[in-house]
Amino acid sequence: DVKVTQSSRYLVKRTGEKVFLECVQDMDHENMFWYRQDPGLGLRLIYFSYDVKMKEKGDIPEGYSVSREKKERFSLILESASTNQTSMYLCASSQTGPGYTFGSGTRLTVV
Amino acid sequence: GDSVTQMEGPVTLSEEAFLTINCTYTATGYPSLFWYVQYPGEGLQLLLKATKADDKGSNKGFEATYRKETTSFHLEKGSVQVSDSAVYFCALSDQGSARQLTFGSGTQLTVLP
Repeated sequence: DVKVTQSSRYLVKRTGEKVFLECVQDMDHENMFWYRQDPGLGLRLIYFSYDVKMKEKGDIPEGYSVSREKKERFSLILESASTNQTSMYLCASSQTGPGYTFGSGTRLTVV
Repeated sequence: GDSVTQMEGPVTLSEEAFLTINCTYTATGYPSLFWYVQYPGEGLQLLLKATKADDKGSNKGFEATYRKETTSFHLEKGSVQVSDSAVYFCALSDQGSARQLTFGSGTQLTVLP
């Protein structure tokens, strides 16, 4: 089975800090995605990538950036964390065709 | 744009009750449809999928049929168990936007013994 690993389950950061969320997949998938999950809003796409060094904005990219230097790793960066970025962050990967494999999520609290 | 609408939750049922969670969608092309499940403290897992009209996806006693005429993909299970307590997400992947999933807001299911 494909495994998608997110480096932290829980994070607490201060307002203004630069935050890195890491995601690694082990099945050579081309496509990787970052979502945030908020109650009543479901999952919203932040950024995605179809290949190394390639990135595209999703529905809510403001305040975020991403990095994909290697195929297996997709990092989400909060340039200057704010309290409204407190959320559950989910990474996912896929090969060609529809359907994702998700990581377990990182619950980020910005204080 | 694409969108997915799920029935409002939370839903609370007794063990062995019949479950229906409604899902309707709007899409420009011919989407693939999915149900994902999220157990407490975990990420999302694919529960079932259907890739064309009239297909029925099934897994672990859950079923959903892709109805193009009503743009629906309702999730059903004949007899729920306490272990089915989770959040259920309906999602679609539109061929036109390839590989991206659009999710509904999720439905919290609690099954009581």
